[in-house]
Amino acid sequence: KAGVTQTPRYLIKTRGQQVTLSCSPISGHRSVSWYQQTPGQGLQFLFEYFSETQRNKGNFPGRFSGRQFSNSRSEMNVSTLELGDSALYLCASSSRGDYTGELFFGEGSRLTVL
Amino acid sequence: AQRVTQPEKLLSVFKGAPVELKCNYSYSGSPELFWYVQYSRQRLQLLLRHISRESIKGFTADLNKGETSFHLKKPFAQEEDSAMYYCALSNNAGNMLTFGGGTRLMVKP
Repeated sequence: KAGVTQTPRYLIKTRGQQVTLSCSPISGHRSVSWYQQTPGQGLQFLFEYFSETQRNKGNFPGRFSGRQFSNSRSEMNVSTLELGDSALYLCASSSRGDYTGELFFGEGSRLTVL
Repeated sequence: AQRVTQPEKLLSVFKGAPVELKCNYSYSGSPELFWYVQYSRQRLQLLLRHISRESIKGFTADLNKGETSFHLKKPFAQEEDSAMYYCALSNNAGNMLTFGGGTRLMVKP
């Protein structure tokens, strides 16, 4: 099976712009979650989608949003970018929806905001 | 609020020495605890989870609810164990994990 695929792998944006990141989960996985990783704050949960519904949301401002499509692919969007949004954004998929299953992580999308 | 603390950012040991990576958590309910590992140039991946009570690559971890700890142990470290280790907690409300800050394990020859 192909692993979790994230695109783009690297991107550079300027303050005020918006960005959309994409995640294709492992085939058959219906849960997709997103994490932000920074040197200062570590790995922080953004949100989780299961069967196109947002099931959990982390403590991030409304500028961070996401969605999941019927094929389980997910996108996250960050609007009005700030310098502090520079981070590695990790996507993870899981086959389990009834309880916490093993998360399979992608390689991440590294966002740099100038 | 749930919280995971890994007090050591770096742990350096010699090959063959015992290893213990510490993890303490704060959570009022019945948590589910995990250890994830990231080897150099690889993706973050699950190492083990407390409900499995199994040994993976020689590592074990016991959940101590009294001390709210979930330390990762291995009796004899190997050079290939060098990696970044993250302790994580779930409140079982879906696939939402709270991660600790991580501990970098370096096993010297």
